Amino acid sequence: GESVGLHLPTLSVQEGDNSIINCAYSNSASDYFIWYKQESGKGPQFIIDIRSNMDKRQGQRVTVLLNKTVKHLSLQIAATQPGDSAVYFCAEKAQGLNGNQFYFGTGTSLTVIP
Amino acid sequence: DTEVTQTPKHLVMGMTNKKSLKCEQHMGHRAMYWYKQKAKKPPELMFVYSYEKLSINESVPSRFSPECPNSSLLNLHLHALQPEDSALYLCASSQEASYSYNEQFFGPGTRLTVL
Repeated sequence: GESVGLHLPTLSVQEGDNSIINCAYSNSASDYFIWYKQESGKGPQFIIDIRSNMDKRQGQRVTVLLNKTVKHLSLQIAATQPGDSAVYFCAEKAQGLNGNQFYFGTGTSLTVIP
Repeated sequence: DTEVTQTPKHLVMGMTNKKSLKCEQHMGHRAMYWYKQKAKKPPELMFVYSYEKLSINESVPSRFSPECPNSSLLNLHLHALQPEDSALYLCASSQEASYSYNEQFFGPGTRLTVL
């Protein structure tokens, strides 16, 4: 299953399928990106990060892809499990008016169907 | 210890009350953050402390008053809040505020309800 982030804030996938969560970021000067997972009633939990000098980074069952040309970030989760059900946020680090800070995307709610 | 702790977990307060939220980390991080998160929305940055000094205030109303007593502790003092201030308040920390490639570690949050 695949989401387009801002336009489809929910994504449902069958257990065992791969999930793709997308994020469009706004600042071409952003040099660091993080994907966070937030389960109900909990704080955001770090999943994986990527620097702007990279196109791809892999973790355990997760892969982040960065396309700087179109300012697009995606999170791929392999063999999605029920425990992956959560809201996923991308965050970009950029220089704001008040200094270097993270800006969070709107989030995508992932539901895994057993 | 790679944890950020927050107390209390839940807080209900009236509009005339004064209360405080507390945050603690023992990772040696020198940057600490307060975020506000409404339901189904992303976290919104409120304050950043760098080396125990306030470095960013995102135009937060004065009824929210942050304090950083030392490098491990961060407080958020609340006074005369409005019902629309009800939200999840998240604390986070990172090694440095200015260095680009520092991950932020989040606490579990305090669920605040203002009656």
